[in-house]
Amino acid sequence: GAVVSQHPSRVICKSGTSVKIECRSLDFQATTMFWYRQFPKQSLMLMATSNEGSKATYEQGVEKDKFLINHASLTLSTLTVTSAHPEDSSFYICSARNSRSADTQYFGPGTRLTVL
Amino acid sequence: AQKVTQAQTEISVVEKEDVTLDCVYETRDTTYYLFWYKQPPSGELVFLIRRNSFDEQNEISGRYSWNFQKSTSSFNFTITASQVVDSAVYFCALSEAYPGGGADGLTFGKGTHLIIQP
Repeated sequence: GAVVSQHPSRVICKSGTSVKIECRSLDFQATTMFWYRQFPKQSLMLMATSNEGSKATYEQGVEKDKFLINHASLTLSTLTVTSAHPEDSSFYICSARNSRSADTQYFGPGTRLTVL
Repeated sequence: AQKVTQAQTEISVVEKEDVTLDCVYETRDTTYYLFWYKQPPSGELVFLIRRNSFDEQNEISGRYSWNFQKSTSSFNFTITASQVVDSAVYFCALSEAYPGGGADGLTFGKGTHLIIQP
């Protein structure tokens, strides 16, 4: 089956630093990737849609200057949490839509971010 | 706007019992996709099923079955002869079709925590 990886799987950082999370589709091309956030014992919330070669589309209430998204190639999207604060601590999950089979999204294993 | 409601926050049953997880959705689109995912304690989402709005056939996969009813906007999930390994959080999700075809970003329900006791 299609595989999506995320790196790192877990990161702990100090308040005020920036953290970059990578999402890669390993065996297919993904024109579109999605970023979700999940707080403990809560549901997943769509943060933004990342399109290769163009600007990301952010959901209402998500600060685009806070969560920078770059989708520079058909297999890689990055999410950078800038000037992270403890309230940004969360589980971040990406998904990738196969360009050839667009009705299916494949989820990455997630990145657990803890900001001290 | 779209919305997914999973009214059951937590369900606890004894192993081998059948259990049904409810999912009710709202959307204005005529073309959309419905999904079920399993999230074990590790956090990784496990894909279970995808249904498009034009396919109302119910589906059975081993011990799992799904009942899609457009008339009541429901997409319920039943596990028969439950096992301890079925314990997890289960999410129902909805996606509208994007203009080029295919599923857009997902709107998730709040999830149902299923506990199967031995």
